[in-house]
Amino acid sequence: DAKTTQPTSMDCAEGRAANLPCNHSTISGNEYVYWYRQIHSQGPQYIIHGLKNNETNEMASLIITEDRKSSTLILPHATLRDTAVYYCIVRVADGGFKTIFGAGTRLFVKA
Amino acid sequence: DGGITQSPKYLFRKEGQNVTLSCEQNLNHDAMYWYRQDPGQGLRLIYYSQIVNDFQKGDIAEGYSVSREKKESFPLTVTSAQKNPTAFYLCASTENSGNTIYFGEGSWLTVV
Repeated sequence: DAKTTQPTSMDCAEGRAANLPCNHSTISGNEYVYWYRQIHSQGPQYIIHGLKNNETNEMASLIITEDRKSSTLILPHATLRDTAVYYCIVRVADGGFKTIFGAGTRLFVKA
Repeated sequence: DGGITQSPKYLFRKEGQNVTLSCEQNLNHDAMYWYRQDPGQGLRLIYYSQIVNDFQKGDIAEGYSVSREKKESFPLTVTSAQKNPTAFYLCASTENSGNTIYFGEGSWLTVV
């Protein structure tokens, strides 16, 4: 599985959109982009994933560039409960067993 | 509800003792995983299992052992050979043909 690069930390004002970037310049054609988040002392929670097209669900939106070398996770109206570590990972289409989880981005949502 | 259950949530161990962390899933997933997480760090793969009675070493398997006698269960034993076992341990599972990884709530192990 390809590696990803994320900023160490970001701040966001409550009620504003949080835009979390991720670089995955070595991504292969059969690899999906996945986002998870982890609140302290809990297991990571799945947020969203995509291959080529932009995706949206009840939690977030995922914007993938046309060359697929980077993506952005958007939390449209951040709340204090969105304060967490956000992980961007890539996984092959048939699963893959050695997915790399880096240190992620620590998002602080401030009142 | 379907999910992954890890127990115990908090565990204290004396140096030199082995300890076993439990992981049970009722998602009917084929593959199961164990990760270790140190404070402020990402997740590192310890072991994974694709099917019953088969498992593979991950990146940091030394000092750990696992078994996969049943599809729903994948216990992890932290042995006395693990030099720095204090960490947060996460169990996960996937369908073999699926992409999404599902995680348990984790277990904190502290060596005293």
